[in-house]
Amino acid sequence: EDQVTQSPEALRLQEGESSSLNCSYTVSGLRGLFWYRQDPGKGPEFLFTLYSAGEEKEKERLKATLTKKESFLHITAPKPEDSATYLCAVQGTGRRALTFGSGTRLQVQP
Amino acid sequence: NAGVMQNPRHLVRRRGQEARLRCSPMKGHSHVYWYRQLPEEGLKFMVYLQKENIIDESGMPKERFSAEFPKEGPSILRIQQVVRGDSAAYFCASSPDSLSGNTIYFGEGSWLTVV
Repeated sequence: EDQVTQSPEALRLQEGESSSLNCSYTVSGLRGLFWYRQDPGKGPEFLFTLYSAGEEKEKERLKATLTKKESFLHITAPKPEDSATYLCAVQGTGRRALTFGSGTRLQVQP
Repeated sequence: NAGVMQNPRHLVRRRGQEARLRCSPMKGHSHVYWYRQLPEEGLKFMVYLQKENIIDESGMPKERFSAEFPKEGPSILRIQQVVRGDSAAYFCASSPDSLSGNTIYFGEGSWLTVV
């Protein structure tokens, strides 16, 4: 059974204070690892897909990296508008549905 | 290019009534997924459908819940005889066929409240 564990559960940063969110996973063959952002009362917004260990992707202040056991979402010089819950999910080979972690609630204070 | 469309956004039902949630996938997408998010919990997979076929329903409760994706029209998630524990946000998502990529895009959700 695919499993995803995200840490920390909650993170409070000062504006400009860089940090990383962790996503540890176990899956029987990784087809893709996904990062989403979810604001309160909204649906998950797609950020990145990573397919193989060593892959990195960037978007504005966010950078996602992938190893064989975990992924990191690095947030550089965050702004208050980066406050949201960040969700990690895996898709195993032979199965299209995603398995999600419980998310990391990020709060960036001005 | 419209995203995944869900309606209603908010639905209130009394215990014992039926709830029907509708989802139109993104244009060109042939795969639909339903997820449930209970208060303060993560997203849990319920069912995966293609047109006229249920492919994976391993996350669906055995009773009262059903889903369909007909040849014409939106996908429907149906909950019969709702109970308070069904109160949650229900998210629909869609993806293109595997040759076009496997990224799954979500709608804004339907919030069901059972009173």
